[in-house]
Amino acid sequence: KQEVTQIPAALSVPEGENLVLNCSFTDSAIYNLQWFRQDPGKGLTSLLLIQSSQREQTSGRLNASLDKSSGRSTLYIAASQPGDSATYLCAVGLTTDSWGKLQFGAGTQVVVTP
Amino acid sequence: GAGVSQTPSNKVTEKGKYVELRCDPISGHTALYWYRQSLGQGPEFLIYFQGTGAADDSGLPNDRFFAVRPEGSVSTLKIQRTERGDSAVYLCASSQPLAGNTGELFFGEGSRLTVL
Repeated sequence: KQEVTQIPAALSVPEGENLVLNCSFTDSAIYNLQWFRQDPGKGLTSLLLIQSSQREQTSGRLNASLDKSSGRSTLYIAASQPGDSATYLCAVGLTTDSWGKLQFGAGTQVVVTP
Repeated sequence: GAGVSQTPSNKVTEKGKYVELRCDPISGHTALYWYRQSLGQGPEFLIYFQGTGAADDSGLPNDRFFAVRPEGSVSTLKIQRTERGDSAVYLCASSQPLAGNTGELFFGEGSRLTVL
């Protein structure tokens, strides 16, 4: 059974610092990995999607890397802002599972202080 | 519509009652998913529809849970004889047809169910 772990569970940084969020998974037979953002009481917003053949994806201040062989992904957020405060979740889709059947980590709760 | 729409946003019910949660996916998205999120946890997969049929219902916890999508668009998640342990946020997501699909899921804001 795929296990997805996110460390740390919570993180607090001052505005302007770079954020590094980690995600690890036990089964490397994935077809993609997605990073989501969740604000309190809200649904999930897709941030970045990395296909299994890719090593990284970038969007603005966000960069996500993927190392399938070691079962790890890292989300970098440059020059953090208070508006980046949210819970960040990673999710993987297994090639042996139905399309869109994602395994989620429990998330990293981020607070960016002004 | 512009995004995935879920109703109701909040539902409070009593133990033993029947509940229906509705999901209206993004127009043109043939794949629809239901997930359940408990407090402090990531979402857990419940069921996946491709068109009108349930392609994978392996995540439904027991036979009190049932979902339909009769016309291949709107879906309803039905929970019979609700229990306090069913309290959670029920999330719906949709994605584009398989051909050329990147696999990106688009989520609604969820229906928060509280069973007293």
